[in-house]
Amino acid sequence: EDQVTQSPEALRLQEGESSSLNCSYTVSGLRGLFWYRQDPGKGPEFLFTLYSAGEEKEKERLKATLTKKESFLHITAPKPEDSATYLCAVQAPGGSYIPTFGRGTSLIVHP
Amino acid sequence: GAGVSQSPRYKVAKRGQDVALRCDPISGHVSLFWYQQALGQGPEFLTYFQNEAQLDKSGLPSDRFFAERPEGSVSTLKIQRTQQEDSAVYLCASSSKTSGNIDTQYFGPGTRLTVL
Repeated sequence: EDQVTQSPEALRLQEGESSSLNCSYTVSGLRGLFWYRQDPGKGPEFLFTLYSAGEEKEKERLKATLTKKESFLHITAPKPEDSATYLCAVQAPGGSYIPTFGRGTSLIVHP
Repeated sequence: GAGVSQSPRYKVAKRGQDVALRCDPISGHVSLFWYQQALGQGPEFLTYFQNEAQLDKSGLPSDRFFAERPEGSVSTLKIQRTQQEDSAVYLCASSSKTSGNIDTQYFGPGTRLTVL
């Protein structure tokens, strides 16, 4: 059974203190790995899709990277408005179009 | 340029009542998903539609849960005889691509269901 594990469960940072969130997965072949941001009381907001090991994508202060076993979401010089829950999801091949989500990392950035 | 909308945003039901949750996907999106999200958890898949066809309902937790999308646009998730364990946020997502090619899903704000 596909599994997605995110760590840490919660992370507190000072504004400007860079860090990384981890998403490790066990899936027999990867079709795609997705990162979403979820604010309280809202639905997940799409950030990135990564398809193959070595791929990287950036958006403002966020950079997502992918290896064969895990993905990292690097946050550079975070601001309080980056506070949210970050969700990772994986999609296996073979017609299995349903992404499996991790439990998320709750990030709080203090001013 | 409306996104995915859901109604109601909040629903309080007494145990045993029936509820109906509505999802309006992005216009033209062929794929529609329903998820259940418990507090502190990631979204859990419930069911998937491609146009009006319900291609996968393997995630529905019991036969009290029923979903439909009769005209291939708006979808309704119905829960009969609600139980306390049904309390959760119900998320709807849509995608412009069909099964096997789905990448980006666009989520609605969710309906928070509380069963007393």
